This record gives sequence, C-alpha cells and structure tokens, in this order.
Amino acid sequence: DADVTQTPRNRITKTGKRIMLECSQTKGHDRMYWYRQDPGLGLRLIYYSFDVKDINKGEISDGYSVSRQAQAKFSLSLESAIPNQTALYFCATSDFVGGEAFFGQGTRLTVV
Amino acid sequence: EDQVTQSPEALRLQEGESSSLNCSYTVSGLRGLFWYRQDPGKGPEFLFTLYSAGEEKEKERLKATLTKKESFLHITAPKPEDSATYLCAVQEGAGNMLTFGGGTRLMVKP
Repeated sequence: DADVTQTPRNRITKTGKRIMLECSQTKGHDRMYWYRQDPGLGLRLIYYSFDVKDINKGEISDGYSVSRQAQAKFSLSLESAIPNQTALYFCATSDFVGGEAFFGQGTRLTVV
Repeated sequence: EDQVTQSPEALRLQEGESSSLNCSYTVSGLRGLFWYRQDPGKGPEFLFTLYSAGEEKEKERLKATLTKKESFLHITAPKPEDSATYLCAVQEGAGNMLTFGGGTRLMVKP
C-alpha cells in the first residue's frame, strides 16, 4: 500500500459545486500539506498542518479550505469550484519541515 | 519574495549524452535546496537535499551540486528510464515552507 493515498484520483465537477479531496497517510508524520500543480508553475502550497489542531494558509489558499480529522487524515475542500481551479492536486507529509516529503499520487481535478 | 527558476523547461537527450539541469534561486538565507523527480501521473519523489555551497550529492547517474546562487543536477550517461520532470525547491529559514521551481522535463531517447 502507498504511504500517502489520495482519493479520488480523477474528478470532473461543475462550476459552483462543492468538492472534497481526501488524503490519508501511514508514515506517522505530524506534518501534512496540500499542493496544487499547474503546467510550468511547479508546486504551490495551498494549506499545511503541523498537527491535528494546527491549520495554516499557504501561498494560494483563497477558494479552498481544509480539515485535519486525525493525524493521518487531511482533507481539502473547494466550497464552490471554479474553472481556474482545474489542476493537479497533491497531498504530502514530512517528519519535519525541510525533511524528505512523501507525496500522494495526485488528484486530477477538472472544473467545467 | 523567494524566487526559484529552473532551466531549461524541457531537455531532450540521446541515451548516453550527459548534461546538466539548472536551478537558480534568490533567497536571503538558504536553509536547504531540494531535488525531486516526478514521473507522469505520479507524485514527486525525493532525490537530494543540499545545505551549503560546495556540497555535492550523488545517486546513480545523478549528481547535485550547490553554489550560493544556483544548483545543478548533472546527469551522466542518461538512460531512457531517467526521463521525468525534475523539480527543485528551496527552504529559507528553519520552519519556512518550501518554494518550488517550475521543473525541467527531461526526455532521454534510446
């Protein structure tokens, strides 16, 4: 089994719909991250969490929210999806900031 | 504001043709520079962390080097299985988040 599992792997949704992307990890790490990847722009940080009671905004948090349900689970929500949120989304974990990060396989989200 | 720029955006090599990928950065105090490999349809995988100018790290056909303004990922005698997108990221200061570059897509033809 993968260390970091994202569901769904692919999703097509309509503008204005609420959608949740889920992430679970078996690494036992406290730190979890959500990134967005667009062609040529690399990975941009949306939100991150250092433990269950800690949530922090990243570089591009507008239009997104997160929930850390447990040490192993970190969900990303788009409250009202818009087409420019079409992208590849990655969840990651690390033992500490600056440590080796372990990424999920990604969720390809298309908003039509 | 941190800036991480990778070049070239894409690189085509013949098998066995050595080359280098560049990652230039502008941060006031580098905590660490990271290289990741990303295969199509997959998440990035960690390759190296470099912490100070002059440091070098190697893994199979890859060698990463670091200066005060840039890092190079040297690929010696590449094989088709080295084809991937290579991402670099920098961390400025302990506890700060990583800033990623746009990546270099490497294609190695047999």
